[in-house]
Amino acid sequence: DGGITQSPKYLFRKEGQNVTLSCEQNLNHDAMYWYRQDPGQGLRLIYYSQIVNDFQKGDIAEGYSVSREKKESFPLTVTSAQKNPTAFYLCASSIAQGGNEQFFGPGTRLTVL
Amino acid sequence: DAKTTQPTSMDCAEGRAANLPCNHSTISGNEYVYWYRQIHSQGPQYIIHGLKNNETNEMASLIITEDRKSSTLILPHATLRDTAVYYCIVTITGTASKLTFGTGTRLQVTL
Repeated sequence: DGGITQSPKYLFRKEGQNVTLSCEQNLNHDAMYWYRQDPGQGLRLIYYSQIVNDFQKGDIAEGYSVSREKKESFPLTVTSAQKNPTAFYLCASSIAQGGNEQFFGPGTRLTVL
Repeated sequence: DAKTTQPTSMDCAEGRAANLPCNHSTISGNEYVYWYRQIHSQGPQYIIHGLKNNETNEMASLIITEDRKSSTLILPHATLRDTAVYYCIVTITGTASKLTFGTGTRLQVTL
């Protein structure tokens, strides 16, 4: 089945540690996105990538980093510089041309203790 | 992207039509109206989008007013599984674009 996978579903880390969230898609989509969602809030864009080896900052990129070495993969690293990393992280993908129908993964709930 | 305004919450009886309104009075000519929904603790799901004509698919219908300043998402026969937060988003289409998710409308479908 085609889709987006994020792992793990729940992640716990100690304060001050970097952590990398995985996002993989087999939809052959060019574009991929990372969003953050806090309780009771909408989604906020962290980073997005329209093509391999290229990515742009979203609205809240500080304290995060990404890479896009393969079309299928767009990992997100939450660094120790991110002041409030505890949140629900969602990855999405879409075709690069023609529409804004984004397909979302199931999300990773990160808790920093 | 144009700003959207949605009610915070709505209730609907199971089997009845759910009509979710969205105001987007500053929408520009090349902006589309998109609807997504998010069931609790899951990723959002695309529902439907339109430019100016009414649209219908297997999930819902989208009615856009003639002046395009508002729209309504219609779920014709709501079920308990339709309980979710519904987001109305206005954006240009074409190359991969950022979607701005507000707080949406929390629809509660009840027996």
